[in-house]
Amino acid sequence: AQSVTQPDIHITVSEGASLELRCNYSYGATPYLFWYVQSPGQGLQLLLKYFSGDTLVQGIKGFEAEFKRSQSSFNLRKPSVHWSDAAEYFCAVGARGTYKYIFGTGTRLKVLA
Amino acid sequence: ETGVTQTPRHLVMGMTNKKSLKCEQHLGHNAMYWYKQSAKKPLELMFVYNFKEQTENNSVPSRFSPECPNSSHLFLHLHTLQPEDSALYLCASSQDQGAWEAGELFFGEGSRLTVL
Repeated sequence: AQSVTQPDIHITVSEGASLELRCNYSYGATPYLFWYVQSPGQGLQLLLKYFSGDTLVQGIKGFEAEFKRSQSSFNLRKPSVHWSDAAEYFCAVGARGTYKYIFGTGTRLKVLA
Repeated sequence: ETGVTQTPRHLVMGMTNKKSLKCEQHLGHNAMYWYKQSAKKPLELMFVYNFKEQTENNSVPSRFSPECPNSSHLFLHLHTLQPEDSALYLCASSQDQGAWEAGELFFGEGSRLTVL
């Protein structure tokens, strides 16, 4: 069965510092991978996605993620965090050929001024 | 007009009430979803509809009853709920192009449900 693990529940970084949010997945084949962001009181917004091809994907708001098959990981990165990036981030796996998207428990990001 | 609209944004109901959540998508997508988001738990897939046909029912209790009259509208009918059903209910849509080339979910802002 597919699953997603986000090992960090909370992360605090200073504004301007770099950021890496971890995501590990379990899936029998090459999955579809996503990162979403949720601000308080809002729905989830797609940051980026990986379907195939280049393993380094660029997203909105300056985020990028790298798919590493050997490590079953899809970590999200940003070189310089802005205060507006404070939110909750969700990694998700999509099973090809189905409508089943499995989400991690999320990582809440706090940004210090 | 936002892509996926949910109403109401907030709902408080007693355990014996009957209410409904509504979702409308303006993106021309064919698939619509209900997710439940509870504190400290992953998003739980509840139901999926593709072209009005239910394709997933993730062992959801019968006190939750979905309805999808067309590809743009999705309802979640609620009756005799329990306090543990209090959560944020998120609606989403996606476009299935057969090859799953554009399968990302587009979410509404959610309906915050409180069951007393």
